[in-house]
Amino acid sequence: DTEVTQTPKHLVMGMTNKKSLKCEQHMGHRAMYWYKQKAKKPPELMFVYSYEKLSINESVPSRFSPECPNSSLLNLHLHALQPEDSALYLCASSQARTAGTEAFFGQGTRLTVV
Amino acid sequence: DQQVKQNSPSLSVQEGRISILNCDYTNSMFDYFLWYKKYPAEGPTFLISISSIKDKNEDGRFTVFLNKSAKHLSLHIVPSQPGDSAVYFCAASSGNTGKLIFGQGTTLQVKP
Repeated sequence: DTEVTQTPKHLVMGMTNKKSLKCEQHMGHRAMYWYKQKAKKPPELMFVYSYEKLSINESVPSRFSPECPNSSLLNLHLHALQPEDSALYLCASSQARTAGTEAFFGQGTRLTVV
Repeated sequence: DQQVKQNSPSLSVQEGRISILNCDYTNSMFDYFLWYKKYPAEGPTFLISISSIKDKNEDGRFTVFLNKSAKHLSLHIVPSQPGDSAVYFCAASSGNTGKLIFGQGTTLQVKP
């Protein structure tokens, strides 16, 4: 199983809503990531979790709150987002966060903030 | 400052011919390079990677070449197939951060 599963696939939320994106992998990977991709742009790293601990936060606004409940799950809690936060949110995992380990990506959640 | 650059936004190739996608980088600390393929509305799919200690890695129709002195890598696809039509991203990482830095992507179209 080389799959990273993200739910939901699409999400429309208002600026006052609270919602969560979910990501799951069963490959035994110990590093998990959140990336954000705007239209016609490359994916940009948001957060890195290594062994369920947050190791990198790329200066992401606090309205995005990551959570890693266990080694297979990664959540991204959203609150008070802005329309410019609309994007494709990608979860990825890798065996470890060292160079030389390929990251496998999920299908993404297409988020629209209205 | 873009550390990973793919200067060709698009490439069109005839089916059966070779596709060559190029990528340049500026950070000499990068020690691992990857190519991903992406269809619209899907996540990137890992294709092939290469460590900075090698200059070539081959997997079926896909070969990646690395020229460290020029800070340049390329992905060769031969023979190209219509199903290869997608956006190709070059990515680089260094040390133990796990962070991938992506290029802007090249849209490959393989014509039947």
